Amino acid sequence: DAGVIQSPRHEVTEMGQEVTLRCKPISGHNSLFWYRQTMMRGLELLIYFNNNVPIDDSGMPEDRFSAKMPNASFSTLKIQPSEPRDSAVYFCASSSDLYGYTFGSGTRLTVV
Amino acid sequence: AQSVTQPDIHITVSEGASLELRCNYSYGATPYLFWYVQSPGQGLQLLLKYFSGDTLVQGIKGFEAEFKRSQSSFNLRKPSVHWSDAAEYFCAVGDTGGFKTIFGAGTRLFVKA
Repeated sequence: DAGVIQSPRHEVTEMGQEVTLRCKPISGHNSLFWYRQTMMRGLELLIYFNNNVPIDDSGMPEDRFSAKMPNASFSTLKIQPSEPRDSAVYFCASSSDLYGYTFGSGTRLTVV
Repeated sequence: AQSVTQPDIHITVSEGASLELRCNYSYGATPYLFWYVQSPGQGLQLLLKYFSGDTLVQGIKGFEAEFKRSQSSFNLRKPSVHWSDAAEYFCAVGDTGGFKTIFGAGTRLFVKA
């Protein structure tokens, strides 16, 4: 198994542009999570899906952020428009149970 | 609501010395507890987990952790640290009502020769 696959690994964009981060979870995992990591705030849960359905999006910072999971093998996190304060590492993780997550390698987003 | 506290922002140990990283949690019921490790530029990797049974759990890379309900703690230990253990370590508590896992702020481990 290739693990959780995130793309791109690095993204540099200008303020105001739309950014789309992508995630392919491990096959058979029915839960998917998006986290954001910054020095100031640590790891923050943005949203999680169970069986492709968004369960809790209370961590999404504002309406500029949206996430979709159209099928069991793909999810996107979109920021539109992006702002410099969105700069962070965004992680996707998947799980098949309550007993731990498998994380992707993350996308380092820089908004200039 | 559950929460996790890692009191030490960073710790430095000599290679070959023993290690203990502290973790305290707040949760109303029996928690699901985890330790993850993050190497620079990488995602988090699950080291070990506790959800019931024996309070001393073994994980990968020679790590173990002990669940102490009376102290609301889940400290991570390793008897002899290797230079490759230098990384950031996160304690986490899982919400048994769902799938939300709350992470501590992390402890960065430095290993000196």
